[in-house]
Amino acid sequence: EDQVTQSPEALRLQEGESSSLNCSYTVSGLRGLFWYRQDPGKGPEFLFTLYSAGEEKEKERLKATLTKKESFLHITAPKPEDSATYLCAALGGSNYKLTFGKGTLLTVNP
Amino acid sequence: DADVTQTPRNRITKTGKRIMLECSQTKGHDRMYWYRQDPGLGLQLIYYSFDVKDINKGEISDGYSVSRQAQAKFSLSLESAIPNQTALYFCATSETPGENIQYFGAGTRLSVL
Repeated sequence: EDQVTQSPEALRLQEGESSSLNCSYTVSGLRGLFWYRQDPGKGPEFLFTLYSAGEEKEKERLKATLTKKESFLHITAPKPEDSATYLCAALGGSNYKLTFGKGTLLTVNP
Repeated sequence: DADVTQTPRNRITKTGKRIMLECSQTKGHDRMYWYRQDPGLGLQLIYYSFDVKDINKGEISDGYSVSRQAQAKFSLSLESAIPNQTALYFCATSETPGENIQYFGAGTRLSVL
């Protein structure tokens, strides 16, 4: 059974304090690893897709990386507006079913 | 306007009532999905549809049914609502072929009393 585990469950940072979120996955035939951002009362918003180990993608203060067992979302010099829940999801061999982690609630204090 | 629109945004209903949640999209995608999100749990797939004539059960389909009225419209029904169906419901779409990126609506918050 495909599994995705995110850690920590919650992370509180001061503005400018860089850190990383972890997503470990057990998926047969990984076709893609997805990161989403979810704000309260809203739907998940797509951030990145990674397809193979060693791949990296960046967007503003966020950088996502992928190994054969886990993915990291690095946040550099975060701002309060980066506060949100970050979801990781893995697409396995079925080619349609995303297995989601429970998310990491990030709070960035000014 | 949003690419994936869900209605209503909020709904309160009573146990035993039939309720329909609606989803429409302007992205032109073939695939549509319904998910449920509960506090402390990941998003769980209820039903998915690859095209108008192809509808499939997800991991938690009991107590739910769906209708794909057109490429752009996918509705979720609760035949007889029960309190443990209180949750956030999301519709999503993805393109075929493509990168399998799923795009989500803003969600419907459903409370069953």
